[in-house]
Amino acid sequence: GEEVAQTPKHLVRGEGQKAKLYCAPIKGHSYVFWYQQVLKNEFKFLISFQNENVFDETGMPKERFSAKCLPNSPCSLEIQATKLEDSAVYFCASTPSGAGMEQYFGPGTRLTVT
Amino acid sequence: LAKTTQPISMDSYEGQEVNITCSHNNIATNDYITWYQQFPSQGPRFIIQGYKTKVTNEVASLFIPADRKSSTLSLPRVSLSDTAVYYCLVALSGYSTLTFGKGTMLLVSP
Repeated sequence: GEEVAQTPKHLVRGEGQKAKLYCAPIKGHSYVFWYQQVLKNEFKFLISFQNENVFDETGMPKERFSAKCLPNSPCSLEIQATKLEDSAVYFCASTPSGAGMEQYFGPGTRLTVT
Repeated sequence: LAKTTQPISMDSYEGQEVNITCSHNNIATNDYITWYQQFPSQGPRFIIQGYKTKVTNEVASLFIPADRKSSTLSLPRVSLSDTAVYYCLVALSGYSTLTFGKGTMLLVSP
C-alpha cells in the first residue's frame, strides 16, 4: 500500500500491563522507524530496522521495550510492564533505501497508561 | 546531530507568504536540512529537503545561505489548512534517524 498503517489507533493499559503496537510499512520500503511523541511536539527516536534487522536501537529503553520486524508480518513494538510515563503517541515511519530523511509516517497509536 | 532552533509560534493571515527561519549553527559538512509538517492527531509529513542555495517544490521553497547556519522555509499564500506545526531537522543524508526539535506552531487566520 501507499500509506503506513498503524494499529490500534488507541490503546489503554493499566500500569504494569503489557502493550503491543503494530506497524505495516509501505510495501517496498526497507527501513522502519519507531518514534515516541510524549508531550505536544516532543519526539523521541526509539529504534529503526533495515528489513528485519535492527539498524539503530540507541533510543530504546531496553529493560521494558522490545521491537521486531519479521518477514511477511507487521512490525511490532512491545512494552512490558507499562508505566505512567509511557503514555504517548507512538509513530511508525518507513522509507525506501537511500531516501534518508524523507520518511513516511503512520497516523500513530495513542497509548494511555492509567 | 546538529541542534536546531526555531520560533515557538507564528501567526499569519490567509493569502500571505510565511517564512519560518531555523537556526542550526553547528551543522556539519555532510548534513542536509529537511522540514516536516504535522497536523493534530497525524504523523509528520515531509515537506522539503535541501543542502544549499534554494530548493522549490509544489508546496514550499527552502532557502539556505552560503554558510548553511540557518535555513528558511517559505510557504506562499498560506490558507487556513496550513495551520500546523512545522519542524526543521538536520541530519546526515542516508543516516535516517530524525531528531525533531519543538517545532513552530503556525496559526493561519481568516
